[in-house]
Amino acid sequence: QSVLTQPPSVSGAPGQRVAISCTGSSSNFGAGYAVHWYQQIPGTAPKLVLYDNTHRPSGVPARFSGSKSGTSASLVITGLQAEDEADYYCQSYDTRLSGSRVFGGGTKLTVL
Amino acid sequence: QVQLVQSGAEVKKPGASVKVSCQASGYIFTSHDINWVRQTPGQGLEWMGWMNPKSGNTGYAQKFKGRVTMTRQTSTNTAFMELSGLRSEDTAVYYCVKEAASISCSGGRCSGGWFDPWGQGSLVTVLS
Repeated sequence: QSVLTQPPSVSGAPGQRVAISCTGSSSNFGAGYAVHWYQQIPGTAPKLVLYDNTHRPSGVPARFSGSKSGTSASLVITGLQAEDEADYYCQSYDTRLSGSRVFGGGTKLTVL
Repeated sequence: QVQLVQSGAEVKKPGASVKVSCQASGYIFTSHDINWVRQTPGQGLEWMGWMNPKSGNTGYAQKFKGRVTMTRQTSTNTAFMELSGLRSEDTAVYYCVKEAASISCSGGRCSGGWFDPWGQGSLVTVLS
């Protein structure tokens, strides 16, 4: 069981908006640690799409955005495109185990 | 560009050890921690540990303590992850990742700790 909790799957039609949640606790998000998001297309390595809650790396489309409040975080994709179909993982730091980076279990995004 | 290139696929027998390499280029190797993350077939991502290439200091996830060793060779900008006592459950793709910014905290808010880029992955298969 992952320290960060994500829904196993979400879906949306092209052009729609989807949100992927990531729920933490007082030992990670609640302690002030940031959330980072990765996109993984099957058969390839994960790729960073958001860091420090809301920041997009160079080359990531503006339709990807993020937020974090309290012990929860979200990745939002607006104007969904077929190429967005992938697995998405959230990641943070947890104070319960010194030096421990933690991941969510991953969410499969299906573009209908 | 910043790049991490890993060694190729390995097939090992139960009880054996495997050593995966990760060669960095495009940045100062000793200025960023290298972490290792694995992904078992059809499953999610699992963090294994970190290594500071400058000092050689390491930190391992509790699950892997006693079985994993992370080292480096600064002359070739290469990091290594060795996992011993292999069992079938260790069959996975192993990734090295660069921690792009160290975690820093101020006024109750922390930033940093994200992984970018990722190596291409090294498949380790444990098969009797």
